[in-house]
This record gives sequence, C-alpha cells and structure tokens, in this order.
Amino acid sequence: GDSVTQTEGQVALSEEDFLTIHCNYSASGYPTLFWYVQYPGEGPQLLFRASRDKEKGSSRGFEATYDKGTTSFHLRKASVQESDSAVYYCALSDPNSNNRIFFGDGTQLVVKP
Amino acid sequence: EAAVTQSPRNKVTVTGGNVTLSCRQTNSHNYMYWYRQDTGHGLRLIHYSYGAGNLQIGDVPDGYKATRTTQEDFFLLLELASPSQTSLYFCASSGGLGSSAETLYFGSGTRLTVL
Repeated sequence: GDSVTQTEGQVALSEEDFLTIHCNYSASGYPTLFWYVQYPGEGPQLLFRASRDKEKGSSRGFEATYDKGTTSFHLRKASVQESDSAVYYCALSDPNSNNRIFFGDGTQLVVKP
Repeated sequence: EAAVTQSPRNKVTVTGGNVTLSCRQTNSHNYMYWYRQDTGHGLRLIHYSYGAGNLQIGDVPDGYKATRTTQEDFFLLLELASPSQTSLYFCASSGGLGSSAETLYFGSGTRLTVL
C-alpha cells in the first residue's frame, strides 16, 4: 500500500542553520507530493507541492525536489529562523487510491535563537 | 480563501458519553475528511466522504461514525467515548483529483478529552 516515511521525529537547530528533513514514499501510481506545515494551535497548511519527476516545489525559503528514482521528496532550507519552528508533514496523493492523502508521521522542528 | 470551521474547539466528556464533532466548509469542495492527531502517530485518517450521503472508511475507523449531511457539513460521532479517543481532531476539505484540487484545507481542530 501507499506510505510516506519521515526519518526524523524531531530536529533541533539554531538560527541560520541548514535544515534537511528526509521524506521517502511508496505508491502504486504516479503520486503528487506535498509538504504541509503546522504552527502551534493551528491546523496544517500547504507549504508547496510537486506533481512530476524533477519538479521543484518551493515556498518561504523551503524547497524540495521530486525524485522518482529514489522515491524521495526531502525538505531543505538554507537558513532557518525561530519562526520556522513547527511540525512539518510530508504527504502524497495517489490517483490509484481514490483521492486519499497519505501523511508521514511528521517532524517537529525547534529552532533556537 | 478556503474556509473550514470546526466546533467545538474543546470538549470534555466521560467514558461512555456521546459526542458529536461538527465541521463546515464553504469552499464548495467535494471531499471532506476527519483526522486524529496524536504524538508519535501524526495524522491518521478516520473517515472521509466525496459528497452528501457518501462515507468512506479510513485507517482508524473503530469507535467512530461519520455522516455527511450536505456538501458543506461533515460530522464525526463517538457514541460510546473511551479514554483512547482523547485526541486532537482535524477536519479537512479538498476539491478532489487534479491540479490544486488535491490540496487539503484544514480547520483549527477540536481537542477532545475523555475522562
């Protein structure tokens, strides 16, 4: 079945550090991939998405590249800020799965000033 | 801007109690979803629907019923609440397959405590 794996459960960084959150997926079809961000006290919201191999999604300095060969969609940011502290979810939508969205377990990012 | 409104924001009940969580979307979206969020488990899909009167089972449906009365309204029912159902519940909507229609729009959540 379809699944999304996020390796890091929690990441602690200092401001201006480089961020990588790893996301790997398994899907029967050709999925659309997403990154969602959830700030404290709010529901998740879309950060960006990518629909085809080698497509780069980006927003607010975050970026990820769809890699069908390695089935990955790793989230990166060159210089994090304290305001980036949030939970980040990788997700996929598989056209073979009746419009279900599959989420990873989420990564808690804590950025210290 | 897409809007999903959940009520109540907080709810406390006792074991065996009857609880209804409400969700309304004003996006004209076909799909609506109920998720629960627990530490260490992320977002888990309980039930979803692709239109009024339709119901699809998610990954963790045991102990939950749901009903989609209109395109706008989706309810989650706990008829015999148990402490294991203490959680943060999110409703979401989406337009369905294709392009930006797959994007989920979430409400602000309902925190449910079962004593």
